[in-house]
Amino acid sequence: SQTIHQWPATLVQPVGSPLSLECTVEGTSNPNLYWYRQAAGRGLQLLFYSVGIGQISSEVPQNLSASRPQDRQFILSSKKLLLSDSGFYLCAWSVRGRLYNEQFFGPGTRLTVL
Amino acid sequence: AQKITQTQPGMFVQEKEAVTLDCTYDTSDPSYGLFWYKQPSSGEMIFLIYQGSYDQQNATEGRYSLNFQKARKSANLVISASQLGDSAMYFCAMREVLTGGGNKLTFGTGTQLKVEL
Repeated sequence: SQTIHQWPATLVQPVGSPLSLECTVEGTSNPNLYWYRQAAGRGLQLLFYSVGIGQISSEVPQNLSASRPQDRQFILSSKKLLLSDSGFYLCAWSVRGRLYNEQFFGPGTRLTVL
Repeated sequence: AQKITQTQPGMFVQEKEAVTLDCTYDTSDPSYGLFWYKQPSSGEMIFLIYQGSYDQQNATEGRYSLNFQKARKSANLVISASQLGDSAMYFCAMREVLTGGGNKLTFGTGTQLKVEL
């Protein structure tokens, strides 16, 4: 069966510090990968998605970036965090090539920028 | 642009009763998919049910069913025989195909459901 991991689970960082959140998927190959952010009390907003190694698309302009160094690894980064980067970050995957397919989410990382 | 609207920020239901969570959507794409996810206090997003725009019948998954009314652009979630463990945030989402592959889910603002004894 497929599983998706995210770490760390929680993170408290000062403004201006760097960020690296990691997501890995097991039990599947060539997945589509996604990074979402959920602000407190709100729905999810898609930040980045990837359909293959090294292929990253950004949905919203921001000071975050994403990378996919391996097929089942997706990393969210920032060089300098802002207060507005606080939120709950969720990684998700879906089966590539299937049009009507659900996305499966990881456990999330709760980021607080102080 | 696609839009999902959930007008109920909070709902209460008694245990063993049925509850309907509302969702309306707007899209100009004739082909689309609608999803419901559950988010307990732990934060994980749990997929519940899917309805395709061309599906003839309403989707059902155990105690979950989707009341799909295409002309009204609504996709309400019905939970039958509510259980205490159903207390969570529920999100309606619409699939949009992205250029280059992959699907984007556009989420509503969610409905917080609380099941009471």
